[in-house]
Amino acid sequence: AQSVTQLGSHVSVSEGALVLLRCNYSSSVPPYLFWYVQYPNQGLQLLLKYTTGATLVKGINGFEAEFKKSETSFHLTKPSAHMSDAAEYFCAVTDSWGKLQFGAGTQVVVTP
Amino acid sequence: NAGVTQTPKFRVLKTGQSMTLLCAQDMNHEYMYWYRQDPGMGLRLIHYSVGEGTTAKGEVPDGYNVSRLKKQNFLLGLESAAPSQTSVYFCASSTLNFLDRGSYTFGSGTRLTVV
Repeated sequence: AQSVTQLGSHVSVSEGALVLLRCNYSSSVPPYLFWYVQYPNQGLQLLLKYTTGATLVKGINGFEAEFKKSETSFHLTKPSAHMSDAAEYFCAVTDSWGKLQFGAGTQVVVTP
Repeated sequence: NAGVTQTPKFRVLKTGQSMTLLCAQDMNHEYMYWYRQDPGMGLRLIHYSVGEGTTAKGEVPDGYNVSRLKKQNFLLGLESAAPSQTSVYFCASSTLNFLDRGSYTFGSGTRLTVV
């Protein structure tokens, strides 16, 4: 069975500071891993994904994530936070049939 | 290019009432999903469909029914609403391409309150 654990339900960062959101997964099959972002009162949008190959993947809006198999992690980073990054972020893993299993989410607040 | 459209966007129901949430996609996607989102619990899969005329149960199917009579539409029904079904409901769709698995397009959600 697949599962995802996101460390920290709320993260507060200063504008211009590093954004680091932590995600650990468990999977019985080689995982496809995802980060989705949800802006207020909107649906989820795909931020980036890891399938196979390069373990450092780049997404939209300057975000990137690194797949570390030995640590079963897929942490999301952005070097410099912007006010527009305030949103909820979800890490997810696919099961063997391709259905997504989501983490509980991390709410990001950006302070001036 | 509307993507995934959910109707209605908001609804208040009384306990015991029934309603249907409609999801429509215009991307010719084979797979469609219904999730519910509750604070601190992420998104949980209610039901899904891998093609027209087929549906399957997800993680939290009790109290819900679904139908997929047309490829582009996926309906979620609540037969007898309960306060525990107060939630935000999201529909999503994805292609049949196995390499694209997990890359979903989401609707903007339906906020349902059961009083």
